[in-house]
Amino acid sequence: GQNIDQPTEMTATEGAIVQINCTYQTSGFNGLFWYQQHAGEAPTFLSYNVLDGLEEKGRFSSFLSRSKGYSYLLLKELQMKDSASYLCAHTGTASKLTFGTGTRLQVTL
Amino acid sequence: GAVVSQHPSRVICKSGTSVKIECRSLDFQATTMFWYRQFPKQSLMLMATSNEGSKATYEQGVEKDKFLINHASLTLSTLTVTSAHPEDSSFYICSANQGSETQYFGPGTRLLVL
Repeated sequence: GQNIDQPTEMTATEGAIVQINCTYQTSGFNGLFWYQQHAGEAPTFLSYNVLDGLEEKGRFSSFLSRSKGYSYLLLKELQMKDSASYLCAHTGTASKLTFGTGTRLQVTL
Repeated sequence: GAVVSQHPSRVICKSGTSVKIECRSLDFQATTMFWYRQFPKQSLMLMATSNEGSKATYEQGVEKDKFLINHASLTLSTLTVTSAHPEDSSFYICSANQGSETQYFGPGTRLLVL
C-alpha cells in the first residue's frame, strides 16, 4: 500500500504487550481495519474503527485518530500463536480496501 | 457466520492454459465480492470489484481480458486467469461483504504456472 505505513517486522516475548502502529493518508476515508494473516493463509478480520478512540475486543484492542491519520493495534498477553502478519487497511469509496504491506510479528519464549 | 470459501485451494497448470477460481459466500448473500492478488512478502493488491449482475470494475493495470470475472449470483463469483504465464503465479484471494464495510476473506488459491 503506497499510502499506508507500518513497521515491517516486530519481535515480542510471550506474555508481553505489543503495539503495532499504522499511519495512512487518504482523501476518502470510511474506516480502518486490522487483519491477521498467518503465512500461506488468507487474512482474518480483527477489528474495524470508524470513529476516533479505542475499541477493545479481548486481548486485542485497536485505536484510531482520524485527524492524525493514525491507528494502532494492541495485543496483550501475547501467545506463540499470535506470530503472524498484521495488516492495516483503510476503506474508502465503494468499500474498497487499501492494505499496508503488513507487520510481521514474531513471538518468542 | 460470514464464511467465504474458495476452490481450488491450490492449482498447478501449464503456461498458456486457463484456470478458473471460484469464490462462494456460504451463509450470506454478498452484495459485493472482491478479488485480490498477493505476491510473496507483499501486500494484498485489489484486482477488481465484482457486483452480481453487472460488469466487474478493474483496478488500474489489471487486464480485464486476461482476468475474467463472472458474478453469476449473490453467492458466487469466479475469476478465470486466461492464458496463464509463470508471472501470474501468485496467491489469489477473494472477499465478500454483506452490505457493511467489513470484508470476509476466502482461504485463498495458490496458483503455480509452469
